[in-house]
Amino acid sequence: DTAVSQTPKYLVTQMGNDKSIKCEQNLGHDTMYWYKQDSKKFLKIMFSYNNKELIINETVPNRFSPKSPDKAHLNLHINSLELGDSAVYFCASSQFGNTIYFGEGSWLTVV
Amino acid sequence: AQSVTQLGSHVSVSEGALVLLRCNYSSSVPPYLFWYVQYPNQGLQLLLKYTTGATLVKGINGFEAEFKKSETSFHLTKPSAHMSDAAEYFCAVSLIAGGTSYGKLTFGQGTILTVHP
Repeated sequence: DTAVSQTPKYLVTQMGNDKSIKCEQNLGHDTMYWYKQDSKKFLKIMFSYNNKELIINETVPNRFSPKSPDKAHLNLHINSLELGDSAVYFCASSQFGNTIYFGEGSWLTVV
Repeated sequence: AQSVTQLGSHVSVSEGALVLLRCNYSSSVPPYLFWYVQYPNQGLQLLLKYTTGATLVKGINGFEAEFKKSETSFHLTKPSAHMSDAAEYFCAVSLIAGGTSYGKLTFGQGTILTVHP
């Protein structure tokens, strides 16, 4: 069973479109995250939710909107996609204060 | 604020040789330290972590790392490299605040490990 699963794995879309990436974890964790890995492989946190409450919101354009319908899900919606949004987006989860487990990543390409 | 520096963006070793990947961190408070591995087109897999206690930590696939507070280092080693170890390795630090890590991992820039036959 996949612990942290995200869909889609690959996404190619045109500039200006709106897209969503979904994430689910079956580990029973109370905290979920979105990290972004850019073209130089640099990883940086975007958002973190604890028990559906936003606790970390790094300097991210407001075109990016996370939504956590419940503790097991954290989706990422991106409006008006730009070329610079091309990256790998990783969902992750942890029990608050403990080890963070990552999903397989979603490769987003904006053309 | 915390930061992580991985010395050497590329490391190349022969199969059977010692693997040493260097990581230095900067943190104003005692940190949690992690090493993750990323295989091509895959996610991040936890290799090992240091929180408190024993400074030499053992991880999966024969890797280990030693926390040296005086040197602010957390270098990753493996005595004998295998071809399957070829991947990118990321060192990361997380703050402990009031005994609770907020889970904000700060990553180094990664080190690509190449293993030659």
